[in-house]
Amino acid sequence: KNQVEQSPQSLIILEGKNCTLQCNYTVSPFSNLRWYKQDTGRGPVSLTIMTFSENTKSNGRYTATLDADTKQSSLHITASQLSDSASYICVVSGGAGSYQLTFGKGTKLSVIP
Amino acid sequence: GAGVSQSPSNKVTEKGKDVELRCDPISGHTALYWYRQSLGQGLEFLIYFQGNSAPDKSGLPSDRFSAERTGGSVSTLTIQRTQQEDSAVYLCASSSPPGTPGYTFGSGTRLTVV
Repeated sequence: KNQVEQSPQSLIILEGKNCTLQCNYTVSPFSNLRWYKQDTGRGPVSLTIMTFSENTKSNGRYTATLDADTKQSSLHITASQLSDSASYICVVSGGAGSYQLTFGKGTKLSVIP
Repeated sequence: GAGVSQSPSNKVTEKGKDVELRCDPISGHTALYWYRQSLGQGLEFLIYFQGNSAPDKSGLPSDRFSAERTGGSVSTLTIQRTQQEDSAVYLCASSSPPGTPGYTFGSGTRLTVV
């Protein structure tokens, strides 16, 4: 069964600090992995998308890594800001052209002053 | 429009009533998806429309759920005889061409069945 597991479930950090969120998946075959940010009451917004051949991808203060061998991904947030408070969702797509995505339950990040 | 638009943003309904949720995808996007996000859970796939092809309804949880997409654009998700377990945020997304990473999500409809 295709699964995406995220950790930690929730995280509280001080403004300005860095943090790393983890994503492990068992989706096969693998097509791409995405990280989304979902603010409360809003739909998910894409942060990064990585295919099998990509190991790292950055979007501003967000850097995602992918290890396709161990089926692990991480999202590193640098110099956190209060606006980073949100849920971060890892989503994996399996198979070429597959339209069905497998979603993790997300990590709820709270950045406090 | 510039993004995926969903309405209403919030809906409170009595158990047993029918509800209709609307999704207006990005103009030109041929693929449209409905997902459900229950409290503390990941997003759950419901249904997928691609152009004029028959929709993939494999994610619909029961026959009380149905969806249609008129003219390849606006989609309506209908839930009949709502139950309390239907309470969730219903998200719509569109992309073009199908399966590409360019998903755009709407802000969702928060449904509360009382």
